[in-house]
Amino acid sequence: SQQGEEDPQALSIQEGENATMNCSYKTSINNLQWYRQNSGRGLVHLILIRSNEREKHSGRLRVTLDTSKKSSSLLITASRAADTASYFCATAESNDYKLSFGAGTTVTVRA
Amino acid sequence: NAGVTQTPKFRVLKTGQSMTLLCAQDMNHEYMYWYRQDPGMGLRLIHYSVGEGTTAKGEVPDGYNVSRLKKQNFLLGLESAAPSQTSVYFCAIGAYPHYEQYFGPGTRLTVT
Repeated sequence: SQQGEEDPQALSIQEGENATMNCSYKTSINNLQWYRQNSGRGLVHLILIRSNEREKHSGRLRVTLDTSKKSSSLLITASRAADTASYFCATAESNDYKLSFGAGTTVTVRA
Repeated sequence: NAGVTQTPKFRVLKTGQSMTLLCAQDMNHEYMYWYRQDPGMGLRLIHYSVGEGTTAKGEVPDGYNVSRLKKQNFLLGLESAAPSQTSVYFCAIGAYPHYEQYFGPGTRLTVT
């Protein structure tokens, strides 16, 4: 069953604006990961945050993790048309080789 | 998606036919996974492998079989295809120790 749930399901923003999406999960995790999927392509790993980290940055991406609330957020700053994609969170539980993916947030960046 | 290839890219099957999907990697990772992706449902794990010669069931294994005879290849078989198996299938490889995954380009399968 899916562990993570993204919110919102869909997001439409103007180029240059920031995009924020959230992920909630149910059980204790070892780490949480975010992936991007462009239409018709495979998923691409964006960023990983460990359970003992609260915030992480990678270029225009900022991820936060609140283990007390079992939630994470992904912020994309200064969005570009190329950021149009679906974004998925995935959780890795302790001592488990598998990831549990959410259903994703579809982001559309308008020019 | 460099390092993970999937064959074929597209396939149309009739109900009851069988086929094998091939995933190949050149990154020497131990962990390999097969997922299916259906609209609005994200990714669901079918089977996975933690090393050569090993396989394990995921969330939705029924109707599928797998084999990992060589470390670099992970095969997914459909013995008797059903319309419910119409989906996009993704192979992924996993990196120790945090298991971030690298995906292939996908196989779009239609069963009529």
